[in-house]
Amino acid sequence: GAVVSQHPSWVICKSGTSVKIECRSLDFQATTMFWYRQFPKQSLMLMATSNEGSKATYEQGVEKDKFLINHASLTLSTLTVTSAHPEDSSFYICSAGQPPTYEQYFGPGTRLTVT
Amino acid sequence: AQTVTQSQPEMSVQEAETVTLSCTYDTSENNYYLFWYKQPPSRQMILVIRQEAYKQQNATENRFSVNFQKAAKSFSLKISDSQLGDTAMYFCAFMNLENRDDKIIFGKGTRLHILP
Repeated sequence: GAVVSQHPSWVICKSGTSVKIECRSLDFQATTMFWYRQFPKQSLMLMATSNEGSKATYEQGVEKDKFLINHASLTLSTLTVTSAHPEDSSFYICSAGQPPTYEQYFGPGTRLTVT
Repeated sequence: AQTVTQSQPEMSVQEAETVTLSCTYDTSENNYYLFWYKQPPSRQMILVIRQEAYKQQNATENRFSVNFQKAAKSFSLKISDSQLGDTAMYFCAFMNLENRDDKIIFGKGTRLHILP
């Protein structure tokens, strides 16, 4: 099956700094990728849809200025958490779909800890 | 708006037993997919099984099968001969094909423990 990678797998940053998380589709091209946030023992919450070559679409309640998404190529989307605060600490997961099956392939996730 | 409801937050069964996880959903659409995803302790999301709404036949994947009741908007997952490796969080999920945005809506999940 198709593979999606994320980097880094775990990052610790200080409050007020920014951190970038990469999501790559390794063996297929993805015009659309999705970013999720998952709190411990909870479900995945869709944050935004990343569209190659255009602006991301954010879900209601997600601060677009805090969570910057860039989909620069058909295999790479990045999520930058700007001016991170402890409440941004969470598990972030990306996914990408490979037409025409509509199956979403998920990355392994990135654990963000803001101190 | 579509919603997915999993009414069992947590379940435990003995190894080799059969277990059924419940899921109901609400939609006014006719063209959609339903999924069951597994999230083991590694937190990697793994697709277990997929059901196309237009198909009447229930999907099966080895020990995993679904009971898809479209009129009742029910989509349960049956795991036969459960194994220790089946211990995980299981999410029921919905994708509306009508709006072509490929978004997946997840239920809150059921934590399944397989006991030795």
